[in-house]
Amino acid sequence: NAGVTQTPKFRILKIGQSMTLQCAQDMNHNYMYWYRQDPGMGLKLIYYSVGAGITDKGEVPNGYNVSRSTTEDFPLRLELAAPSQTSVYFCASRGDSPNTEAFFGQGTRLTVV
Amino acid sequence: GQQLNQSPQSMFIQEGEDVSMNCTSSSIFNTWLWYKQDPGEGPVLLIALYKAGELTSNGRLTAQFGITRKDSFLNISASIPSDVGIYFCAGQRDSNYQLIWGAGTKLIIKP
Repeated sequence: NAGVTQTPKFRILKIGQSMTLQCAQDMNHNYMYWYRQDPGMGLKLIYYSVGAGITDKGEVPNGYNVSRSTTEDFPLRLELAAPSQTSVYFCASRGDSPNTEAFFGQGTRLTVV
Repeated sequence: GQQLNQSPQSMFIQEGEDVSMNCTSSSIFNTWLWYKQDPGEGPVLLIALYKAGELTSNGRLTAQFGITRKDSFLNISASIPSDVGIYFCAGQRDSNYQLIWGAGTKLIIKP
């Protein structure tokens, strides 16, 4: 049972570098989300998608981009990494029914130096 | 942005004690959720509340959805060492099921 798989688990970037955080789910979920979690804080929504081909901004989208070409995959792109993007990133997915839970990946710990 | 106020920020308790934490919001939510996060892991759902006034249990955990729909609490009875971790409340907006998160309550059990 893979659930939600995030790669990589850890990454160190230099300022100005770019990278893509991968997220894949095998539950055929339409809804997918990217959150970031800063130390001592709750999660903040970066971007979300309600289905393949549809994405929308969350609370803190600046500096990030997403795409959703398939139901399974929802990559998050950082174009010009900044120290403020040092955080733990979580991907989540959920099904369509109202009373169903979201499943989270194990997270990607990103440090920008 | 919208925030949930979760308290306390951390708790030091003895094994066997009961624990209580709560979340309040200035806005109404239609769903309240309680998650637990262990180090290096993503949050895992403990209890989901879908109706104002609802009281739901999951083993030693009990949570309630406040009547005003602006608050929720979580109780853990007879705490054990594996209860250690960070507990988060989250309010769910019906539109696209986005979650607004509290800052977490860190539970530490004194040896």
